[in-house]
Parts: sequence; C-alpha cells; structure tokens
Amino acid sequence: DTGVSQNPRHKITKRGQNVTFRCDPISEHNRLYWYRQTLGQGPEFLTYFQNEAQLEKSRLLSDRFSAERPKGSFSTLEIQRTEQGDSAMYLCAMPGTRNTGELFFGEGSRLTVL
Amino acid sequence: AQSVTQPDIHITVSEGASLELRCNYSYGATPYLFWYVQSPGQGLQLLLKYFSGDTLVQGIKGFEAEFKRSQSSFNLRKPSVHWSDAAEYFCAVGDPRGGKLIFGQGTELSVKP
Repeated sequence: DTGVSQNPRHKITKRGQNVTFRCDPISEHNRLYWYRQTLGQGPEFLTYFQNEAQLEKSRLLSDRFSAERPKGSFSTLEIQRTEQGDSAMYLCAMPGTRNTGELFFGEGSRLTVL
Repeated sequence: AQSVTQPDIHITVSEGASLELRCNYSYGATPYLFWYVQSPGQGLQLLLKYFSGDTLVQGIKGFEAEFKRSQSSFNLRKPSVHWSDAAEYFCAVGDPRGGKLIFGQGTELSVKP
C-alpha cells in the first residue's frame, strides 16, 4: 500500500487570508491527487500530478487555488483570499503499487474559514 | 462523463442483519470500481475493488460486492453487520487507463443493537 502524510491536520483562518497545505508521500509514485470533501458529501476531485506536471484540473479549482509538485515528490495546495465556502477537508491521495486503479488517501487537512 | 449514484443517503440495520448498499455508475466502457469506508474522524479506507475477472469480489471486514454490467451496478453486501460497521460508505468509479476516481455522495450506515 501507499500512504501519505498531510499537514497541517487542522487550520482555522479568517476570510481573506491565504493558507497552504502540504502532502508528503510515504513511498514514491509518479501520480499524486488532491480532493476536497465537504460535510455529508463524497470526495470531489480537484487536480492531479504526474511527476511535476499538473495533468488535470477540475472546474472546482478556481483561480484562487494553486497546486504544485516541484520535485515530483511532495505537493502543496495553496488557497488565496479564502472564503467561507472553502471550508472543507482537503485530501491527498496516491495510487497503490499494483496499478489497479485504487487510491490511498491521507487523513486530510481540515480547513475552517471564519 | 463518469458519474456514480448512491441512492440511499442513510440506512439503518440491526446488528446481525444482512446489509446491501446500492451503487450505480455511468461510464462508457467497463470501469474500475471501488468501495471505501470512512468512520467518523477517520480517513478513507479501501474496502474492495473490481478491475477484471470474477464479478463477485471479496474485501476486508467480511464485505463483498458484485459487478453487474447489465445493470451498471456494483452493490456492496455483508451477511451479518457488526456495530463497528457503522460508518459512511462511498462507491467510486475509475478509468482503467488511469487518472482520477469519481465518488458517489455516500451512504451513512447506522447499526441498531
């Protein structure tokens, strides 16, 4: 299996502030995914990387959101000028080692925007 | 476009009773299919997956699911539910060529003593 570590686990911020979340894979894989999960909903795809390249971005990812994976290992997700609607759990995921399509998720970074 | 529908938002079963959670998907070909479980305050855990072969797949914690191509369904079953199975269950569909998973909105399972 593949695991990821996410930091911070919880972030409370005021509307208008910028926040950054980090995802550190425990083992290497060329793909890395970001999802968002709001209360009572399933995870929604935001974006994914193959190595350093950001290959797909959801329409959910507004201009205030930016994600990077500079060295093809860890990744960051930054939200600028946060809004209350950004309050959610942000999840990072990586594929398993058997290439059968499953993703293994981190425990997430919970964002609360006041 | 890929999509997943979980028709039941909330299900309550008695401990020891059987369980079936429904999942229907929309996809142009045969997708990869998954069930995940999320307990309160916990991360998503993979229960089982279908990617080829036998349409009845076994997973962890005594769960199984059956892929029915004709019905575009991938229902999750368990013969006897335990109180510890109370959680949120998510069905997901993926493209065999790789890429993202698309999740349903989830079914919350409550277990009565």
